[in-house]
Amino acid sequence: SAVISQKPSRDICQRGTSLTIQCQVDSQVTMMFWYRQQPGQSLTLIATANQGSEATYESGFVIDKFPISRPNLTFSTLTVSNMSPEDSSIYLCSVSGGTGEETQYFGPGTRLLVL
Amino acid sequence: AQSVTQLGSHVSVSEGALVLLRCNYSSSVPPYLFWYVQYPNQGLQLLLKYTTGATLVKGINGFEAEFKKSETSFHLTKPSAHMSDAAEYFCAVSVETSYDKVIFGPGTSLSVIP
Repeated sequence: SAVISQKPSRDICQRGTSLTIQCQVDSQVTMMFWYRQQPGQSLTLIATANQGSEATYESGFVIDKFPISRPNLTFSTLTVSNMSPEDSSIYLCSVSGGTGEETQYFGPGTRLLVL
Repeated sequence: AQSVTQLGSHVSVSEGALVLLRCNYSSSVPPYLFWYVQYPNQGLQLLLKYTTGATLVKGINGFEAEFKKSETSFHLTKPSAHMSDAAEYFCAVSVETSYDKVIFGPGTSLSVIP
């Protein structure tokens, strides 16, 4: 299975600022995804990060608010822009394709609190 | 569009008792099905998955699940609950390929009573 790390693991941010979350995988993968888990809720897919092309966003999520980069097959970033308290969530990176198994593996998550 | 429902947002069982967490899916095509577990303040860990073949799937930590197409269900069971099983459990579905995006159910919080 893939080993996935995320930075930062947690942060407290002020309203109106932006935070960039990094996702690093220990092997090359085809697909990388970003999810949001609001307090007490399930996971919601934000976007699919495609290497060499723009990310594909789900309904309700836009690039201006959640810009994503995927410069290579082992790394991606998610930026939460112009944050408000409603953005307080856990943000999780997941990967699939290239780990040798037909499975999505998840990172440990980034816990974000916006004041 | 595919979706997942989990009956019971919270389930409590006694230590040593049977664990049964229910999952039903909606899909117009044969799905790929997953159960993930999330321990407090941790990320998600894959418990087991169904792709094709045998409908009874065995996973880690003694859990298993059975895919029943006629009932569109994928319930998770464990014969004997352990205190360490207390966690949040998510059922998920992916339709096109198992590499594709995964749609999660709302989750079931499992408590184990000593």
